[in-house]
Amino acid sequence: ETGVTQSPTHLIKTRGQQVTLRCSSQSGHNTVSWYQQALGQGPQFIFQYYREEENGRGNFPPRFSGLQFPNYSSELNVNALELDDSALYLCASSLGAESQETQYFGPGTRLLVL
Amino acid sequence: GQSLEQPSEVTAVEGAIVQINCTYQTSGFYGLSWYQQHDGGAPTFLSYNALDGLEETGRFSSFLSRSDSYGYLLLQELQMKDSASYFCAVRDHTGRRALTFGSGTRLQVQP
Repeated sequence: ETGVTQSPTHLIKTRGQQVTLRCSSQSGHNTVSWYQQALGQGPQFIFQYYREEENGRGNFPPRFSGLQFPNYSSELNVNALELDDSALYLCASSLGAESQETQYFGPGTRLLVL
Repeated sequence: GQSLEQPSEVTAVEGAIVQINCTYQTSGFYGLSWYQQHDGGAPTFLSYNALDGLEETGRFSSFLSRSDSYGYLLLQELQMKDSASYFCAVRDHTGRRALTFGSGTRLQVQP
């Protein structure tokens, strides 16, 4: 069974640029959530995708957008990057019918905006 | 909205027992989860409590009191590898599986 994978592992961008981060969910998981984790803080929910549809969104501006594909992999796109977007971006997959609050996290993409 | 409070740092020695507390405020409660995150690593699931009481998994136990909006993670027989950040989390109030995390407790285990 393959775990959650993310690419790239690290990324450096400049302010105003756009970035796309990718996530492959754990085998059989149909739900992907994206989180932003600033240094020294807990992960903050960006949005969730369930069967290719957005299934909820946190307090992030529209320049944060996403997609989920038929194989349940997902992308996070951030436009017009700002310095404060520098963070670890985590994706987590879960099984829709799962009864426990278990999400399986990928290793994250560390984004630095200069 | 939702908020969770936990201590920012805890220090303990190898072999000791440490308790990390978490209090939460949420408009809809489904249960309290705990995650461990080593520096540079991904959060990994430790435990989940939906009902009052103690859940034990090896050296780790988690407790929940719904009436007090309070829970804790108990780590026994501490090992150096337990040095990490520990986060409590509740499910989003709309019922989605997205989680709201506390700011984390950094546990340092000393020899």
